[in-house]
Amino acid sequence: GNSVTQMEGPVTLSEEAFLTINCTYTATGYPSLFWYVQYPGEGLQLLLKATKADDKGSNKGFEATYRKETTSFHLEKGSVQVSDSAVYFCVSFSGGYNKLIFGAGTRLAVHP
Amino acid sequence: NAGVTQTPKFQVLKTGQSMTLQCAQDMNHEYMSWYRQDPGMGLRLIHYSVGAGITDQGEVPNGYNVSRSTTEDFPLRLLSAAPSQTSVYFCASSSNPGYYGYTFGSGTRLTVV
Repeated sequence: GNSVTQMEGPVTLSEEAFLTINCTYTATGYPSLFWYVQYPGEGLQLLLKATKADDKGSNKGFEATYRKETTSFHLEKGSVQVSDSAVYFCVSFSGGYNKLIFGAGTRLAVHP
Repeated sequence: NAGVTQTPKFQVLKTGQSMTLQCAQDMNHEYMSWYRQDPGMGLRLIHYSVGAGITDQGEVPNGYNVSRSTTEDFPLRLLSAAPSQTSVYFCASSSNPGYYGYTFGSGTRLTVV
């Protein structure tokens, strides 16, 4: 079945460090891919998306590129801030199953 | 624009009690879903709806019922609460999930004792 695997956390970084959170997916066909962010005590917010191969999603300095060849959608940010501390979820959507499939989430902690 | 509104935010139930988690959206979205979030497991789909009068089961539907009588509302009923249903519940809606993803509510934290 379809699944999403993302790197385990927690990831601890100093402010202004480079961030990479790895994500790979398995799917029948070519799903839409999303990154969601969950700040402490809040619901999930859509961070960025890519709906077809080679698309690059970007928002708030975060980027991710839909790589069909490696079935990956890694999240990157060039310079993290303390306010980026949150849990990040890699998510796929396959219309045939009409549901979002979540990775387990990666907790990011950024220290001053 | 309120988005997706969930009530209550917190609830404690005794084993065997029933209750309804409320979810309402004001965006005229056809698609609505309920997820539960458990530590280290991401979110898992309980039930979903593709429009008023249409519902279907997700991957963990046992112990839960839903109905969709209007586009705006999608309540989740716990029939006889069990400790295994202790979780955080999220309602979400979308006009086109494959393109826009889902908009999530702020969640209901449920504890069953």
